Amino acid sequence: SQQGEEDPQALSIQEGENATMNCSYKTSINNLQWYRQNSGRGLVHLILIRSNEREKHSGRLRVTLDTSKKSSSLLITASRAADTASYFCATARINTDKLIFGTGTRLQVFP
Amino acid sequence: DTGVSQDPRHKITKRGQNVTFRCDPISEHNRLYWYRQTLGQGPEFLTYFQNEAQLEKSRLLSDRFSAERPKGSFSTLEIQRTEQGDSAMYLCASSQTGTGVQPQHFGDGTRLSIL
Repeated sequence: SQQGEEDPQALSIQEGENATMNCSYKTSINNLQWYRQNSGRGLVHLILIRSNEREKHSGRLRVTLDTSKKSSSLLITASRAADTASYFCATARINTDKLIFGTGTRLQVFP
Repeated sequence: DTGVSQDPRHKITKRGQNVTFRCDPISEHNRLYWYRQTLGQGPEFLTYFQNEAQLEKSRLLSDRFSAERPKGSFSTLEIQRTEQGDSAMYLCASSQTGTGVQPQHFGDGTRLSIL
């Protein structure tokens, strides 16, 4: 079963705008990761944030983590049409490598 | 780095048949994972290996499912007596143990359709 949910389920924006996706999860975690999936393809790892970190940046990506609220957000700045994809958060608990994925956000960026 | 390779990409079969999928991980990766993804959902964990040892198996995995990684390199996932509910994308991922948490690298999956 899914660990949690992502919000919104779908998001449509214009190129150049920022996109924010939120993820909530249910149990204590060791780390939280964000993945991107293009239609019909596998998942691509974007960024990992550990449970003792609050914010992390990678290029146009910014991730925050609030363990007290069991939530995370992914911000994509200056979006491009090529960012169109589904985005999933995934959590890992201590002493296991298995990932528990959220339900995903479908992002559409219009040129 | 040639990436994670899965074969076949698509499989169509009749209900009740057995199917087997293959995953070739990135060569230096010693961990290998199987997930299942249905339309509009995130992947669900099935099982994972470290080298040839199967370390964890989901309770979602019925007795009809079996996975092996006999030499610690490629892995196979077999589904016996397929049911319509088995229709899904089966994803394989691999990672390398090391200092800290390592990301998982996914293949493009095998899409299974049960008629």
